Amino acid sequence: AQSVSQHNHHVILSEAASLELGCNYSYGGTVNLFWYVQYPGQHLQLLLKYFSGDPLVKGIKGFEAEFIKSKFSFNLRKPSVQWSDTAEYFCAVAPLTGGKLIFGQGTELSVKP
Amino acid sequence: GAGVSQSPRYKVAKRGQDVALRCDPISGHVSLFWYQQALGQGPEFLTYFQNEAQLDKSGLPSDRFFAERPEGSVSTLKIQRTQQEDSAVYLCASSIKIPGLAGLGWKTQYFGPGTRLLVL
Repeated sequence: AQSVSQHNHHVILSEAASLELGCNYSYGGTVNLFWYVQYPGQHLQLLLKYFSGDPLVKGIKGFEAEFIKSKFSFNLRKPSVQWSDTAEYFCAVAPLTGGKLIFGQGTELSVKP
Repeated sequence: GAGVSQSPRYKVAKRGQDVALRCDPISGHVSLFWYQQALGQGPEFLTYFQNEAQLDKSGLPSDRFFAERPEGSVSTLKIQRTQQEDSAVYLCASSIKIPGLAGLGWKTQYFGPGTRLLVL
């Protein structure tokens, strides 16, 4: 079965702390990988994506993610979080040929000033 | 407009009532997707259109759910005889579909603000 698992449901950090959110997927084939973010009161926005090539991808606002094919993982990282990073983060996969996104259940990040 | 728009933003329905949710995709976007997001969960796929053709409706939970995109632009998701378990946020997304190596390709899905449906 196709699925995405996000390890943490709710993460609380202080400003300047480092962040790593785990994401593992189960999918029988080559995939595209995404992290989306939903800030309070706003709609889902793309944070970063991996289609092919360098497995370390950089996104907006200093976020990056590393695709490790052998571990079926696509963890999101940021060296130093800010209060404005408070949001819900969703990992998602899609087949290489395009089509529906399969989302994880989301991780709520709260950053304390 | 600049982004995907959805209307209404909020809808309260009595159990058994029919509802219609509208999505206006980004102009020129060929592909359109509907997702359902229950409270505390990630979005779940409902259905997918390429232009006016509904290519995948495997995620529609029952025959009470029906989606259409008759002119390949605006789409409507209709839920008949709503039930309490239909309460959720309904998200629409659109994307440009471009030719790829296998004749298929796509770009990022851009999401609308969603319609929050509450069935009492």
